[in-house]
Amino acid sequence: GIQVEQSPPDLILQEGANSTLRCNFSDSVNNLQWFHQNPWGQLINLFYIPSGTKQNGRLSATTVATERYSLLYISSSQTTDSGVYFCAVNFGNEKLTFGTGTRLTIIP
Amino acid sequence: NAGVTQTPKFQVLKTGQSMTLQCAQDMNHEYMSWYRQDPGMGLRLIHYSVGAGITDQGEVPNGYNVSRSTTEDFPLRLLSAAPSQTSVYFCASSSGIKAFFGQGTRLTVV
Repeated sequence: GIQVEQSPPDLILQEGANSTLRCNFSDSVNNLQWFHQNPWGQLINLFYIPSGTKQNGRLSATTVATERYSLLYISSSQTTDSGVYFCAVNFGNEKLTFGTGTRLTIIP
Repeated sequence: NAGVTQTPKFQVLKTGQSMTLQCAQDMNHEYMSWYRQDPGMGLRLIHYSVGAGITDQGEVPNGYNVSRSTTEDFPLRLLSAAPSQTSVYFCASSSGIKAFFGQGTRLTVV
């Protein structure tokens, strides 16, 4: 099956800093999504981005499908950005395979 | 628009008991799925359904049953609870592009 690796596993930043989270995947995919799991456990869909670049406010994501990686950028971090960020991929069906996540902690 | 609704939010079971986790969506999505999340791990697929009457196994199906009699509902049944099934369970539905998750059920088996 497809392997999904995320880095770094943990990231601690001061409020206002920028961050880059990486997702590597082992095979071609036709769907890649980024999720934020907030401290209360809720999973929020941030982006559907199988290729190219998208932006939503302070967040943006880029997927380079030919090189099998995706990046999530968070600018001007706020404490509400804390939580775990997951990428998830699939190929040929809707069964998502999740990475193990990046735990982001924003310090005021 | 409620999205994906899971009940209950918390549950404690004794080993050997059975129970059903409920999941309902109001987005008319064909695809629904159940995941479990264990500490330090991502989400692992238990069972999924591509439409009413059609279900299939995911990565970790043992000890769980599902059925899909309507588009809206996709319950997950624990047949005989074991401590290894202590986890947080998430139901999701998908349009084929984006997946939307319920709030999760935190299950403890003692």
